[in-house]
Amino acid sequence: QVQLVQSGAEVKKPGASVQVSCKASGYKFTSNGISWVRKAPGQGLQWMGWISAYSGSTNYSQTFQGRVTMTKDTSTSTAYMELRSLRSDDTAVYYCARDQRHALDIWGQGTKVIVSS
Amino acid sequence: QSVLTQPPSASGSPGQSVTISCTGTSSDVGGYNYVSWYQHYPGKAPKLMISEVSKRPSGVPDRFSGSKSGNTASLTVSGLQAEDEADYYCISYAGSNKVFGGGTKLTVL
Repeated sequence: QVQLVQSGAEVKKPGASVQVSCKASGYKFTSNGISWVRKAPGQGLQWMGWISAYSGSTNYSQTFQGRVTMTKDTSTSTAYMELRSLRSDDTAVYYCARDQRHALDIWGQGTKVIVSS
Repeated sequence: QSVLTQPPSASGSPGQSVTISCTGTSSDVGGYNYVSWYQHYPGKAPKLMISEVSKRPSGVPDRFSGSKSGNTASLTVSGLQAEDEADYYCISYAGSNKVFGGGTKLTVL
């Protein structure tokens, strides 16, 4: 079946970086883009950016520009999101989602990232 | 703060209808027919309920419908059921990026 499976939970110290992976299966990886969304405690969903699984071109939210990098590995059908210079308010659940005509139709299970000293 | 404005809460009794609004600008909601709605239970992944303003994905009950007028999109849940109690978010394409609403907590009384 069509699914996105994300990497496991992470605990990081302030100032560190985190990389979350998102492995796609059940569809042609390069046919769609992947968006990344996060949900911080007590906050709403927040769109972080998008990567074309075909070309690797990216669009990042202004909020994260300069701190986030999204990449993909077509050979393993995997997308990656790296967030740098982590702060305590980056503590959140991070989701990847398949982007189908600007709607996010398939979601990963989420990856919890805790930033704490 | 979120770019799209949603009411923080909405409620209705079982069987009633509830409409949740999502207000943006001509640069997002009003400029494109790419508004989608998501149902989110705490601790679970969000679920797509409506795409492209009013398209319902396979498996989504026809009690859920979407519409748009000008810079405001709406999600209507008819025949409310207990399991509809969740957070609902709108998202709109906005050129090179996407923008979310702040979310609406739907309570079934």
